Order: sequence, then structure tokens, then C-alpha cells
Amino acid sequence: DAGITQSPRYKITETGRQVTLMCHQTWSHSYMFWYRQDLGHGLRLIYYSAAADITDKGEVPDGYVVSRSKTENFPLTLESATRSQTSVYFCASSPKGYGANEQFFGPGTRLTVL
Amino acid sequence: RKEVEQDPGPFNVPEGATVAFNCTYSNSASQSFFWYRQDCRKEPKLLMSVYSSGNEDGRFTAQLNRASQYISLLIRDSKLSDSATYLCVVKGAGYSTLTFGKGTMLLVSP
Repeated sequence: DAGITQSPRYKITETGRQVTLMCHQTWSHSYMFWYRQDLGHGLRLIYYSAAADITDKGEVPDGYVVSRSKTENFPLTLESATRSQTSVYFCASSPKGYGANEQFFGPGTRLTVL
Repeated sequence: RKEVEQDPGPFNVPEGATVAFNCTYSNSASQSFFWYRQDCRKEPKLLMSVYSSGNEDGRFTAQLNRASQYISLLIRDSKLSDSATYLCVVKGAGYSTLTFGKGTMLLVSP
């Protein structure tokens, strides 16, 4: 089915481990985004990408790495997970043309770092 | 000052009530404005864009006051299914990213 998917949906890991969250979209949208959502902070942008091989930092990029070798995939890696990275992570995509006016979100990944 | 500020919640209203959400934004260069809706433990989804002249979509009315940097959302005849968190969202000129408010939770009871 077309859309935007995230995997895994739930993940428990330990401090110091590397974790990769996957995001895949079938719309061929140019823009893709990673957000984290925490109580008291709302949605905060981690990284975004305007096209394959083009990425840029958002509001809270520290501790995260992204890549975008293909238009449809935008993985987010926590190089050495910390407890403060326990959060719900949302991936989103947006078509080119209106500068990401409407973003379409994936179902989210709930990450717990012990 | 936060870039996008919303009324703290939750708002508890009975079915059929009219409820208004307010939002202010700090960047006067902001160009586009939206309301997103987020159901419990789900992803945000676009509810409606907000235009300078104000706009309506069924029971939902959005207003923008650029001079005051203020956005509002009015929901008339509330339904149980309107229970959700409403996110005020602002975007700058040209290509820029979205800035989300923390959201206001609405609980509609029978």
C-alpha cells in the first residue's frame, strides 16, 4: 500500500547502543523529516532532507545521524543511545513545490532507552 | 519566548459545545499557518490551513490576525470524535520547515 511507514514501531534498547529507525515512503516525495515528540516539548525537528543526498539539521540534531541515499528511505541512527533520547519518533514527508506546506506523518516509533 | 504558543489544556466540553483554541507566534516573517490534529498515540494529520481572510470547513473555522500574530480555531457543535490534541503550526517564507506548538488537548464528553 502507498504511504509512509516506520519500523520498528516499538523498540527498547540500552544506553550506549546504536539504534537505527527506518522510514520509507512510496509517494516519491522530495522532502522527508524526522521529529521527536516529548511531553512538555511538542514536536521538535531533528533532521530533514530536501532530496536524496541532501540533509540538514533541525532544532535538536545532537546525537543523531541521518542519510538519504534513495528518495524513498530516510533512516535515523542514534549512534550511542542515551536515556534522554527516550521518545516517540515521527517521520514525515512532503511533496516538492509548496515548500513542505503539508507534511504526511508515519505512525511513529516508540523508543525506550534503559 | 517560544516560537508558537498555545492555550494550555485540556479543554473539557460537553457534546454540542463551541470551543475556541488560540495560538500566538513570535516570528513576524511567518507566511503559512495550519492546524493539525493528533489523536491519542497517533500521528499528526493536517486539519486545515489558515488563510488571512479566515476560512471555514464544516464545523471548523480558522482565523488569522497577522498584526497581532494570532491564530484561532473554532469548533462548533462539538462531537465525541473531536476529542484529540490540536496543534498550531507555522511556516516561514519560501522553503522552510514547520514549527509546531505544543498542542491543546480537547476532551468532548457525552
